[in-house]
Amino acid sequence: EPEVTQTPSHQVTQMGQEVILRCVPISNHLYFYWYRQILGQKVEFLVSFYNNEISEKSEIFDDQFSVERPDGSNFTLKIRSTKLEDSAMYFCASSEDSNQPQHFGDGTRLSIL
Amino acid sequence: RKEVEQDPGPFNVPEGATVAFNCTYSNSASQSFFWYRQDCRKEPKLLMSVYSSGNEDGRFTAQLNRASQYISLLIRDSKLSDSATYLCVVNKWNTDKLIFGTGTRLQVFP
Repeated sequence: EPEVTQTPSHQVTQMGQEVILRCVPISNHLYFYWYRQILGQKVEFLVSFYNNEISEKSEIFDDQFSVERPDGSNFTLKIRSTKLEDSAMYFCASSEDSNQPQHFGDGTRLSIL
Repeated sequence: RKEVEQDPGPFNVPEGATVAFNCTYSNSASQSFFWYRQDCRKEPKLLMSVYSSGNEDGRFTAQLNRASQYISLLIRDSKLSDSATYLCVVNKWNTDKLIFGTGTRLQVFP
């Protein structure tokens, strides 16, 4: 069964440093998403991406965050200057269209020191 | 009021038991409904979509009541492997984002 893959599985970074999280969505999917889950809390939407542009973003997705689809397969989330409160699991997801179920990757655990 | 509300549990049930989870959502413009399952420190995995007519997949039955803004999940003949957190998830009209509940934890014991 096709799946969403994410790298790295765990990223440890000093506060203030830039970090890039990578995702390879399912190949025939057109919609891509990033979510995050702080330990012990619910999954929260960050951003959705379609047709090479952001279609929706949450209040969490401020100027420190950006997304990119640099080629035909990768979808990345960049955090420019990390803060302690950015520590969380970051999940990438993709779907065939906006009404279809979203399928999640196994996440990147981001730890900010 | 929370957008998606669930009883956090935990629900502790013996193998073979039937267990039901409920979920309420606040926005009547909600369009799509799902149950996801999440194991500890793992990604959410789609369990099933929820339709107005109700739907069944093996031991799992989901129901939607739009008038009451209420979703349910019934698990029959519980297995040890059903132990997980069950996430109620809602998607509104004209939006891409999924709104997650905090989840209901299920522990099935031998």
